[in-house]
Formats: sequence, structure tokens, C-alpha cells
Amino acid sequence: DSGVTQTPKHLITATGQRVTLRCSPRSGDLSVYWYQQSLDQGLQFLIQYYNGEERAKGNILERFSAQQFPDLHSELNLSSLELGDSALYFCASRGSGDEQFFGPGTRLTVL
Amino acid sequence: DQQVKQNSPSLSVQEGRISILNCDYTNSMFDYFLWYKKYPAEGPTFLISISSIKDKNEDGRFTVFLNKSAKHLSLHIVPSQPGDSAVYFCAAKEFGMGNQFYFGTGTSLTVIP
Repeated sequence: DSGVTQTPKHLITATGQRVTLRCSPRSGDLSVYWYQQSLDQGLQFLIQYYNGEERAKGNILERFSAQQFPDLHSELNLSSLELGDSALYFCASRGSGDEQFFGPGTRLTVL
Repeated sequence: DQQVKQNSPSLSVQEGRISILNCDYTNSMFDYFLWYKKYPAEGPTFLISISSIKDKNEDGRFTVFLNKSAKHLSLHIVPSQPGDSAVYFCAAKEFGMGNQFYFGTGTSLTVIP
């Protein structure tokens, strides 16, 4: 158990809809990273927050947004969903070192 | 553009033998490299890392080698055990750009009993 929690585990929705994925980092970790893993793809970095502020942005679509709240949990919002958005979404938290601790992921299926 | 590449999607090894997983990168500014292991239905877990000032780091059965001139790193597992069967990802971070990690596409290792 990494100490990072993600909800929900699975999400099935239709094209055009909007969903919110939630992540709680390890106790004390200020950094949260979001990644997308599509079929046969590696982990694509989406965005990182540190103590409530956006710190780095990767290949995140404009239809996607994220935020980190004062209690350090983070939410990833995906809107106007397309079939190609079906993927595993991981969040990871990071403390003072370079190692990231990953949650179990949310599997999103867009029908 | 994939800056970290794992060109072997899969690898099968007999139990007790050595497993060698390879990773290539294109960005010479990467200064820190990590290996993660992922079991099905779980998130990746950190395995071992290496800084660019070293060429080798060892932790039990796991050794990571870094060849900066070739922009290549490898993970050696000796001896391989059935419980090592998982997907292995390498990742890299760029010096001075402290926040973004670049991951490879993963290599699925199967250790045959």
C-alpha cells in the first residue's frame, strides 16, 4: 500500500460527459502528479501540483483540468469526453525525494 | 515525442537466470533515472534509482547500470524469481526542471518457474 488513494476505481461514462477523479496523497506529501496510461502506452504526464499551486504541465488537453485543495487532495476533471480518453489515470505523490508513490489508478471507460 | 524508450515490450526468462531490461533516452539533460514495477490492477511501485553522477546502483537482486554516452540504462535482476513477473517502467527527470518525469512504455517481464 503506497498510502495514495484514488477514487473511483472504475468509471464508465458516455461521450460528451464530464467526470471528476479524486486523489489523496500520502500524509505529508505536498506534490501530486497526474498521469494517463492508454493501451500499450507508457505513463503520460499530465500535470503536477505542489501545495495547491500548479508547478508543471505536460500533455494535458484543454478539456482536462485539475486542482489541489488546501487539504492537499487533488481532483482531475475531464470534460467533453471522447472515446480516446478511455485509459487508466494514475495520481502519484512525492515527498522530499525524487521517488513518486502511485495510487492504484482509476480506469475510465468512455462508451 | 517519446524521450524515454523501452523497445522491448516483453521479455521471458527462466527462474534463477538473469533478467536484463533496457531503456534508452534522447535528452542529454536527464540527470536522474528510476525504475518502477507494476503488477496488474495496481499502481507502479518504485524499485531503484540512479543519479547521472553514478554508473551503477545496486539493491539486493536489482542493479541499474547507466551509460551516459550511449544514453542507455539497464536493469538487471539476478536471480529472477516468478514474483518478479510484472511490467517494468523506466523514468527520467531533467536537471533543473525538477518536476516533470518522463516514462517509457514499459517492458512486461515473465519469469518462468
